[in-house]
Amino acid sequence: AQSVTQLDSQVPVFEEAPVELRCNYSSSVSVYLFWYVQYPNQGLQLLLKYLSGSTLVKGINGFEAEFNKSQTSFHLRKPSVHISDTAEYFCAVSAPGGGKLIFGQGTELSVKP
Amino acid sequence: NAGVTQTPKFQVLKTGQSMTLQCAQDMNHEYMSWYRQDPGMGLRLIHYSVGAGITDQGEVPNGYNVSRSTTEDFPLRLLSAAPSQTSVYFCASSREGGAPDTQYFGPGTRLTVL
Repeated sequence: AQSVTQLDSQVPVFEEAPVELRCNYSSSVSVYLFWYVQYPNQGLQLLLKYLSGSTLVKGINGFEAEFNKSQTSFHLRKPSVHISDTAEYFCAVSAPGGGKLIFGQGTELSVKP
Repeated sequence: NAGVTQTPKFQVLKTGQSMTLQCAQDMNHEYMSWYRQDPGMGLRLIHYSVGAGITDQGEVPNGYNVSRSTTEDFPLRLLSAAPSQTSVYFCASSREGGAPDTQYFGPGTRLTVL
């Protein structure tokens, strides 16, 4: 079975500052990893995903994430955030052969002017 | 394409009432699923379907029923609503269940059970 832990429930940051949202996972098999974003009162949309290959994955809106197999982590980063990045971010895993996503608890990113 | 649509957007029920949350997608996706979102718990899988006529339970299936008679529709039925089912419900779809496809989410249904 897989599980996901997002290490921070809330991350406040000032506009134009860098940000890192942390995600650790647990699995006995290789997994696919995802980051989704949920803007206020909306559904989730995909930011980026890691399937295989290069461990640095680039996504939409300037976000990137690095897969670290030895540390079982998939942290999300952005070098300079905007007010519009204020949202809740979810890390998720799925096992090959199954489309079921297992989500972390979510991290609320709050960008202040 | 409208993507994934959900109705209603908001619903208030009394304990013991039943209702159906509607979900439809127009992308010809085989895989559809229902999640509930509760504060501090992320999204949890209720039921999913890998194609018309095939459904299976997720992590938290109790109190919910699903059926998949067409590729497009995947309704979620609450048999006898309880306050513990107060939540935001999301429907999602993807091209295939066995591949690492992007899941597309609907806008959600906010359900309150009194």
